[in-house]
Amino acid sequence: DQQVKQNSPSLSVQEGRISILNCDYTNSMFDYFLWYKKYPAEGPTFLISISSIKDKNEDGRFTVFLNKSAKHLSLHIVPSQPGDSAVYFCAASANSNYQLIWGAGTKLIIKP
Amino acid sequence: GVTQSPTHLIKTRGQQVTLRCSSQSGHNTVSWYQQALGQGPQFIFQYYREEENGRGNFPPRFSGLQFPNDSSELNVNALELDDSALYLCASSLGGVPDTQYFGPGTRLTVL
Repeated sequence: DQQVKQNSPSLSVQEGRISILNCDYTNSMFDYFLWYKKYPAEGPTFLISISSIKDKNEDGRFTVFLNKSAKHLSLHIVPSQPGDSAVYFCAASANSNYQLIWGAGTKLIIKP
Repeated sequence: GVTQSPTHLIKTRGQQVTLRCSSQSGHNTVSWYQQALGQGPQFIFQYYREEENGRGNFPPRFSGLQFPNDSSELNVNALELDDSALYLCASSLGGVPDTQYFGPGTRLTVL
């Protein structure tokens, strides 16, 4: 039972354009969501988070949107840069217990 | 940063394995994850100030230790083929995910 789903295994975007990565969840108890970025041979790196009391959080080029009614969140990267090429994971936790449930990841490729 | 050893490990079914992690200095919490090929990390357990503080859906043959010197261990007994995966440790302040720093992982292969 996949509680967090990233339905696109990969995404290719032109440098300078917007990258939109999507994540769906099924557990309505999730109240905290995070995005991580992973380069090959490295551990995941925290990017940005959002609490369920908000619907948007911004940090520089990265913005996360949360649609609770649709149980959907998305990560927008504007503008996309070559260094953004990586695997992106969304993760969620319920009741602030910090036991994260992760999606399978989306590989983002930024084309020059 | 967070370091893990060894980088790669090959074991046979039924054996026991110990994986090691050195946390970010000052972090009091360490979490361990299993990442199978093509999947996201799965939470195994978390240690806070040397006590287990939360466990995912993993059997008791997965156990851990956290030491006062910023180091920790993941032990797996009676290895099974399905235990083949990348094992990640992450240290943090009080388990807060935003403060979580991951190591590069240990790739375990069980034959």
